[in-house]
Amino acid sequence: DTAVSQTPKYLVTQMGNDKSIKCEQNLGHDTMYWYKQDSKKFLKIMFSYNNKELIINETVPNRFSPKSPDKAHLNLHINSLELGDSAVYFCASSDPMTGSTEAFFGQGTRLTVV
Amino acid sequence: DQQVKQNSPSLSVQEGRISILNCDYTNSMFDYFLWYKKYPAEGPTFLISISSIKDKNEDGRFTVFLNKSAKHLSLHIVPSQPGDSAVYFCAASVDRDDKIIFGKGTRLHILP
Repeated sequence: DTAVSQTPKYLVTQMGNDKSIKCEQNLGHDTMYWYKQDSKKFLKIMFSYNNKELIINETVPNRFSPKSPDKAHLNLHINSLELGDSAVYFCASSDPMTGSTEAFFGQGTRLTVV
Repeated sequence: DQQVKQNSPSLSVQEGRISILNCDYTNSMFDYFLWYKKYPAEGPTFLISISSIKDKNEDGRFTVFLNKSAKHLSLHIVPSQPGDSAVYFCAASVDRDDKIIFGKGTRLHILP
């Protein structure tokens, strides 16, 4: 009974393609995030959605766009993929309104652009 | 099935004392462990790591201990400072370059 699930777990694609990574949470959380992990295991926040409203938008290329069809989903769309986009991407959710500081992470999606 | 568990959602420690954050894991294949620190509205930042061939790694005020037989690791912060108040995530991976699995986090509150 996975709390935060991402699909696919692995994605290999060619430069120039457009791809999506899906994320779903069944925790009823109001806030979902996308993080990018670099080679040094550093996680950089990319986007945050609270009740379908974008509340954090870090300086990421506009080729990356989050799509939230409902509170339980936050998908990441990437257009015109580049070699430098190869990384592991993590989805997460939390419910800061309840005062809880717990965050639940998905298992990550390893994107390889060739 | 949570492979990385942080059973204490929160911890309060007096300034100047030692903070000990605990983490348990179930996957015996994990061979690389990490601790991240997260402030509100920011992404987690890498703090310290340890390979399974070691049982201790120290970096300034931060020390991570690994007990492989118990599948347990802990992060010690000595002495605790007000700026240490944050959420700390334990994480693990099977291979140093593989994806990392996160715990749910422990909120550390340093009391004045």
